[in-house]
Amino acid sequence: DTGVSQNPRHKITKRGQNVTFRCDPISEHNRLYWYRQTLGQGPEFLTYFQNEAQLEKSRLLSDRFSAERPKGSFSTLEIQRTEQGDSAMYLCASSPEGTAKDYYTFGSGTRLTVV
Amino acid sequence: AQSVSQHNHHVILSEAASLELGCNYSYGGTVNLFWYVQYPGQHLQLLLKYFSGDPLVKGIKGFEAEFIKSKFSFNLRKPSVQWSDTAEYFCAVTIYGNNRLAFGKGNQVVVIP
Repeated sequence: DTGVSQNPRHKITKRGQNVTFRCDPISEHNRLYWYRQTLGQGPEFLTYFQNEAQLEKSRLLSDRFSAERPKGSFSTLEIQRTEQGDSAMYLCASSPEGTAKDYYTFGSGTRLTVV
Repeated sequence: AQSVSQHNHHVILSEAASLELGCNYSYGGTVNLFWYVQYPGQHLQLLLKYFSGDPLVKGIKGFEAEFIKSKFSFNLRKPSVQWSDTAEYFCAVTIYGNNRLAFGKGNQVVVIP
């Protein structure tokens, strides 16, 4: 499978714990994105990497959230001191560099439940 | 900030009925427009996209969408739905030169056999 891979698929954690998710993009894609989707809403942009550089962050990404893409390949999204409001599906997508005509390939997501 | 509006969040229809889902966006500049579909338990998949040229865009599985610039709309249509079209459908927009996809809230479509 050469699509975007996300792990784990599901994560249940207690409030206050830290969690980390991983995303492996399509290998030739140098752009990587994180989105969050809650029930009844469309995905909301969190952050974007071009290679290893984090070029844009949403205001949704509070200081408890950190994302990295150290070698320009896979990325991790860490949430510290989780809160119940963090419960959501976290989506990763990748795209090739190019003009505005590129488009995303999404992973299956990591569903986080904070109890 | 750009925003995307999708109406009629829940749509229930019978097989062979026609489907039209509305999408309006709020940005006045050059936009790229997308419809994504999410089947139950699956990831978001691209149905079709519009960048430029013919405003009537044909996608996979018999779907098409029409870009009407004057109405800031990009409505999705399918003349005859099947049970397998049961899914959530999202309209999304990028502004030219910006990598951020802005999504609508989605339409949950249920097709009754």
